[in-house]
Amino acid sequence: SQQGEEDPQALSIQEGENATMNCSYKTSINNLQWYRQNSGRGLVHLILIRSNEREKHSGRLRVTLDTSKKSSSLLITASRAADTASYFCATDPREYGNKLVFGAGTILRVKS
Amino acid sequence: NAGVTQTPKFRVLKTGQSMTLLCAQDMNHEYMYWYRQDPGMGLRLIHYSVGEGTTAKGEVPDGYNVSRLKKQNFLLGLESAAPSQTSVYFCASSYVETQYFGPGTRLLVL
Repeated sequence: SQQGEEDPQALSIQEGENATMNCSYKTSINNLQWYRQNSGRGLVHLILIRSNEREKHSGRLRVTLDTSKKSSSLLITASRAADTASYFCATDPREYGNKLVFGAGTILRVKS
Repeated sequence: NAGVTQTPKFRVLKTGQSMTLLCAQDMNHEYMYWYRQDPGMGLRLIHYSVGEGTTAKGEVPDGYNVSRLKKQNFLLGLESAAPSQTSVYFCASSYVETQYFGPGTRLLVL
């Protein structure tokens, strides 16, 4: 069963706007990661946030983690058409070893 | 570096046929994984390996077998393909937490 659930399932915005995606999970984790998948391609790692971190930045990406609510958010600022992709959160449950559990993803479309 | 490569890119099988998907990585990673991705779903773990000569079952292992005879290669086998195995298959490798993915193999079972 999937650990992470993304919200919304799909998001359509104009270029230059910010995009926010949310992820909720069920069990205690070591870390949470976000991946991007362009159409027809493999997943690419974006950012990792550890369970003892609350916020992390990487370029135009900002990730937050609230372990008390078992949720995370990914914010993409000043979006570009090239950001159009599916975004997945992946958790590393503490009892699961060095394996990831992926959510169903958010499809982001950035219109130019 | 090529990263993670997968062979073939696309394959059509008839029900009952067998095939092997090959994954190769040149990053000297210990961990390797096979996932399947179906429409509207995230990736589901089929089998994984924590090192050369080791394999273990993931979330959806039924109907698949794997082998890791060499550190750089991880093979996924379908002994008797079924239409339910129509999917996109991704291989990944990792050193610690971050996983690096191949481009995927699209499999259609008729």
